[in-house]
Amino acid sequence: LAKTTQPISMDSYEGQEVNITCSHNNIATNDYITWYQQFPSQGPRFIIQGYKTKVTNEVASLFIPADRKSSTLSLPRVSLSDTAVYYCLVGGPNTGFQKLVFGTGTRLLVSP
Amino acid sequence: GAGVSQSPSNKVTEKGKDVELRCDPISGHTALYWYRQSLGQGLEFLIYFQGNSAPDKSGLPSDRFSAERTGGSVSTLTIQRTQQEDSAVYLCASSPGFRRGTYEQYFGPGTRLTVT
Repeated sequence: LAKTTQPISMDSYEGQEVNITCSHNNIATNDYITWYQQFPSQGPRFIIQGYKTKVTNEVASLFIPADRKSSTLSLPRVSLSDTAVYYCLVGGPNTGFQKLVFGTGTRLLVSP
Repeated sequence: GAGVSQSPSNKVTEKGKDVELRCDPISGHTALYWYRQSLGQGLEFLIYFQGNSAPDKSGLPSDRFSAERTGGSVSTLTIQRTQQEDSAVYLCASSPGFRRGTYEQYFGPGTRLTVT
């Protein structure tokens, strides 16, 4: 299973763009990159998933360079409610989505 | 529609007692997962059910842990002879599999287990 490395914590202010980078040097050919968000006392919530280049949805963008050894989750204009833990996961049909390793994630604190 | 539900939301038990935790997945979801999360830690995979296939039990920490999924829907995680180190939040998730090129797990709110 591909191991991921991401910062333990990040601080930001309301209205700023936040970029959280994740390293996954041994990502397999069929692996996808998935990000989840978790608020205190809640289960994680799916944010975005991608395989290569760029993926965008209504809440975030995911940038994946050509070598796929890293990825960046971009949160535009964060608000206080974006304060949460963000997990980067790597896995796919061949390596088992069911064994996605959540790690300890990146704790994002958004201040006024 | 309704999301993944878990019961009870909180459970306090004495060391040595058995506990059962319940998960009701989203209707129609073929995959079901159990994880546990200790305070301040990431999620630890426990077990995975996919349709009628044999479950992947590779994450269960000991033979005191077991789980079943009846009729491809509701699942019960059982912990026998609970120990203090079993104290954690137990999370259940379900998934419909790949849908529109995306594989997403939908998590329940969790059951907080405290073993005294």
